[in-house]
Amino acid sequence: QKEVEQDPGPLSVPEGAIVSLNCTYSNSAFQYFMWYRQYSRKGPELLMYTYSSGNKEDGRFTAQVDKSSKYISLFIRDSQPSDSATYLCAMIPGAGETYKYIFGTGTRLKVLA
Amino acid sequence: DSGVTQTPKHLITATGQRVTLRCSPRSGDLSVYWYQQSLDQGLQFLIQYYNGEERAKGNILERFSAQQFPDLHSELNLSSLELGDSALYFCASSADTSRQETQYFGPGTRLLVL
Repeated sequence: QKEVEQDPGPLSVPEGAIVSLNCTYSNSAFQYFMWYRQYSRKGPELLMYTYSSGNKEDGRFTAQVDKSSKYISLFIRDSQPSDSATYLCAMIPGAGETYKYIFGTGTRLKVLA
Repeated sequence: DSGVTQTPKHLITATGQRVTLRCSPRSGDLSVYWYQQSLDQGLQFLIQYYNGEERAKGNILERFSAQQFPDLHSELNLSSLELGDSALYFCASSADTSRQETQYFGPGTRLLVL
């Protein structure tokens, strides 16, 4: 079993839809959770960064962490064609352990105009 | 633009050959990480350097090696290349302080081994 599981998609939605992307994980030591967006043939770029459980909102993006269920989500409101990309979740156990980044395999999202 | 640069962007070579990928981290970042991304494996951590010293190793093959130079740029050397080494290779950097774990990724080097 992989430490981090992510549905590879592809996920196709119409423009304006609310998108929900999810990851589950098995290691309860994870404390820091991130979402990266990767456009085709580009490097991943950081979208959201959260610590422990709870919600964090940034514009149209909301990251949610439920440590009790070992489940994290990224919601995209009013999705746009420019949101079409692969979304990777990532997590690390604690501060100073940056080498322990574990990435999900990514979910491909396509927003149709 | 993340501030991390990687060269070359594309590399085509033959099996058995050796190549060197180069990475310059963001200004001020002391840590450099190398990742391999293939379609079926996702992003796989290879190795981390911090201020010139190797800090952590991931799933890096013995045919691969890396180093970080005094000016903090890093090179990833891949030797005795095999078809299966074809992948995207990313470099990332971070400040690596106790409060800044964010990794910033470069644009990647696409390696094709024929």
